Amino acid sequence: DAKTTQPPSMDCAEGRAANLPCNHSTISGNEYVYWYRQIHSQGPQYIIHGLKNNETNEMASLIITEDRKSSTLILPHATLRDTAVYYCIVRVPRNYGGSQGNLIFGKGTKLSVKP
Amino acid sequence: DGGITQSPKYLFRKEGQNVTLSCEQNLNHDAMYWYRQDPGQGLRLIYYSQIVNDFQKGDIAEGYSVSREKKESFPLTVTSAQKNPTAFYLCASKDTGGNSPLHFGNGTRLTVT
Repeated sequence: DAKTTQPPSMDCAEGRAANLPCNHSTISGNEYVYWYRQIHSQGPQYIIHGLKNNETNEMASLIITEDRKSSTLILPHATLRDTAVYYCIVRVPRNYGGSQGNLIFGKGTKLSVKP
Repeated sequence: DGGITQSPKYLFRKEGQNVTLSCEQNLNHDAMYWYRQDPGQGLRLIYYSQIVNDFQKGDIAEGYSVSREKKESFPLTVTSAQKNPTAFYLCASKDTGGNSPLHFGNGTRLTVT
């Protein structure tokens, strides 16, 4: 199973772009990269996911390197409400006819957005 | 609104008692999951179920039990055999589409003294 490595913490100024890196050097060809975030004492919130192409939605952009060994989540204009722990996750495939959707959550990056 | 409801938000029990955490979803998802989160830690999978009347152990199933009698419900029982039950418990569900994301409830914080 591919594992991910993220910095334990990052700071970002309010209104600036937050760029959160993730290393997943052992990712296999059919594994997707997912990003979630968790605000204290709440459940994780899905942000975005992708396979090889860059993705963008109303919350964020996901940039995946060509070799797929790393990715960056970009919050274009961070606000104080974006302060949270951000998890980069690689989906684990199974062999019995489709994935059961298990996601291995690590410790994530604690993003602090400061005024 | 569609979503996942976990209740109660806070739960207190005495050591040696079994306790059941509720998880209900109205997203019409087939797959449901239970995770445990300890302070400063990531999420660890306890049990999951891909279809009614079927469930599988996750990485830390010892001391826990589940049932899946209805599509909408996936209750988790923390038994007295669980050595360190105090934790934040998260329920999630997922569409059966291969790469669709997990949707989480807002968790139940269980404290056992």
